[in-house]
Amino acid sequence: QLQLQESGPGLVKPSETLSLTCTVSGGSISRSDSYWGWIRQPPGKGLEWIASIFYSGAMYYSPSLKSRVTISVDTSKNQFSLKLTSVTAADSAVYYCARAPRTYHYDSSAYGNAFDIWGQGTVVTVSS
Amino acid sequence: VMTQSPATLSVSPGDRATLSCRASESISSNLAWYQQKPGQAPRLLIYGASTRATGIPARFSGSGSGTEFTLTISSLQSEDFAVYYCQQYNKWPPYTFGPGTKVDIK
Repeated sequence: QLQLQESGPGLVKPSETLSLTCTVSGGSISRSDSYWGWIRQPPGKGLEWIASIFYSGAMYYSPSLKSRVTISVDTSKNQFSLKLTSVTAADSAVYYCARAPRTYHYDSSAYGNAFDIWGQGTVVTVSS
Repeated sequence: VMTQSPATLSVSPGDRATLSCRASESISSNLAWYQQKPGQAPRLLIYGASTRATGIPARFSGSGSGTEFTLTISSLQSEDFAVYYCQQYNKWPPYTFGPGTKVDIK
């Protein structure tokens, strides 16, 4: 079955760029039935969605982070990635990658679904 | 905006737990519930407001539509003490999560 695994530096300096990669195993990232996303959780706080991507490259961003975030997909490596620029201590969090089935909802005339498969998460600390 | 109540729910093992989630506007039935234990990733419990995810025990049930939703745990087991989040996926971006309800031992 599908498994996701985050990787990247655990420590990033303020003002620098945070870069994370999620490797998908047990299936192809190039599938029409899935969105791939990033969610974060600051210490002791709740969950915040950051961005999602479809294998074709369609990207979706949180309005509050859009100016600093880039999500991308590399189908040849079965990976998708996150870049967050100009980080501050407020960006310190556990970062999760996750999959959401691409399901059409007639009531909202849109695609979407819950995140059914999650990576284990990776801790990122922003500190000098 | 998603809100959850109560923030903390103290329950005895074997008792019933009822958690609430409210959306600021109608989200139809496009709501999910997650369980998160310390040091673990969230686990999907319920999607479509009332459909249990694969492998989720029948003691977990979800109900509601529009703006008011409920997660019920019929008889709390020791492994159910955790934080529970609701999430809407009706209109995104953005996906939005509620602030969570912590279920602890009374």
